[in-house]
Amino acid sequence: GQQVMQIPQYQHVQEGEDFTTYCNSSTTLSNIQWYKQRPGGHPVFLIQLVKSGEVKKQKRLTFQFGEAKKNSSLHITATQTTDVGTYFCALATDSWGKFQFGAGTQVVVTP
Amino acid sequence: NAGVTQTPKFQVLKTGQSMTLQCAQDMNHNSMYWYRQDPGMGLRLIYYSASEGTTDKGEVPNGYNVSRLNKREFSLRLESAAPSQTSVYFCASRDRGGYTDTQYFGPGTRLTVL
Repeated sequence: GQQVMQIPQYQHVQEGEDFTTYCNSSTTLSNIQWYKQRPGGHPVFLIQLVKSGEVKKQKRLTFQFGEAKKNSSLHITATQTTDVGTYFCALATDSWGKFQFGAGTQVVVTP
Repeated sequence: NAGVTQTPKFQVLKTGQSMTLQCAQDMNHNSMYWYRQDPGMGLRLIYYSASEGTTDKGEVPNGYNVSRLNKREFSLRLESAAPSQTSVYFCASRDRGGYTDTQYFGPGTRLTVL
């Protein structure tokens, strides 16, 4: 079956630093989504990437879809304490509605 | 718009007891999902319903049953709870159309099975 790996599983960042989290698939993807979950909260949709090589920005967050559509990255610049949480990538595994989430990258920010 | 609502928010069960987790959405979405979340394991799909009247198994369906009562409601039933089912359960509905593909999650149900 389709496998999606997220790395790193855990990221400790100093406030103001940059970091990147990666999502890698064993197969070519039609699209990929990113979600953020704050501690004690529920996942919230951030963005969807569809095109090969696509890059989208949301303020300090930059999302990229690989040229081969088998991987994606989320880069956060000048990390703030509000960036604390777990970031998940997610993808549809069939055309009828089945979905799979990565294990997530838990981000901890030190002031 | 309430979005996706879930009841109850917290529940403690004894092994062997049964219960139903309720989920409702008011966004007129066709697809609905049930996930469980355990530490370090992300979200795992239990069951989903692509449209009213259909349900399908996800990654971890054993020990669960679902009912898509109507377009708004999708319930998850534990017939005989086991400690391994201690988890946080999230319901989601999916907005799919044109260039849109977004899941909206409820606040979750925190279930402990003793």
